[in-house]
Amino acid sequence: SSELTQDPAVSVALGQTVRITCHGDSLRSYYVSWYQQKPGQAPVVVIYGNNNRPSGIPDRFSGSSSGKTASLTITGAQAEDEADYYCKSRDSNENRVFGGGTKLTVL
Amino acid sequence: EVLLLESGGGLVKPGGSLRLSCAASGFTFSTYTMNWVRQAPGKGLEWVSSISSTYIYYADSVKGRFTISRDNAKDSLYLQMNSLRAEDTAVYYCAREAYSSGWYWFDPWGQGTLVTVSS
Repeated sequence: SSELTQDPAVSVALGQTVRITCHGDSLRSYYVSWYQQKPGQAPVVVIYGNNNRPSGIPDRFSGSSSGKTASLTITGAQAEDEADYYCKSRDSNENRVFGGGTKLTVL
Repeated sequence: EVLLLESGGGLVKPGGSLRLSCAASGFTFSTYTMNWVRQAPGKGLEWVSSISSTYIYYADSVKGRFTISRDNAKDSLYLQMNSLRAEDTAVYYCAREAYSSGWYWFDPWGQGTLVTVSS
């Protein structure tokens, strides 16, 4: 299957740690990247290659991947982290695939 | 600064056609795979198509109706959309596929252009 599955919504208390997960068969073979999208804005990459953080992305963002599951962890969530988060990978046909997205609420 | 700027969106009737453009600047356009990604109102991201110097891929939802192309001399990416349907209504983003050490990711993204298919 080329699908990537994410929980539709997750919440976290300000300053606490939250994990957003992404499940899919393709994750066994292909790296995952994660994108943050705030209302009315284009997506921005926060993690690539499973666990690499682009310059300018705070170090509270981290990633991991094992088997069919990839995770984006925010350690010490801030109010500005409230956004939609999408995982992305590939399938065996080299098609790019996005997860359905997770809406993160910071309480 | 690496920039992508989409244009060409608008209102079109079902069955109609539209051509989107994406102007790139700040990087060697010809050496990168370029992509179109869309987002229907209130929905998630959907990959549409990719083009490199050697291959082209399409999502099943647009195969046979959409054509991706590029003009490296003009640093531009295009998406010709034919036989448009209501479900094609979305913001269309172009995105560069960055790469390093066998990793690939989309960065940056353009600001998007809205396509509305309605009678």
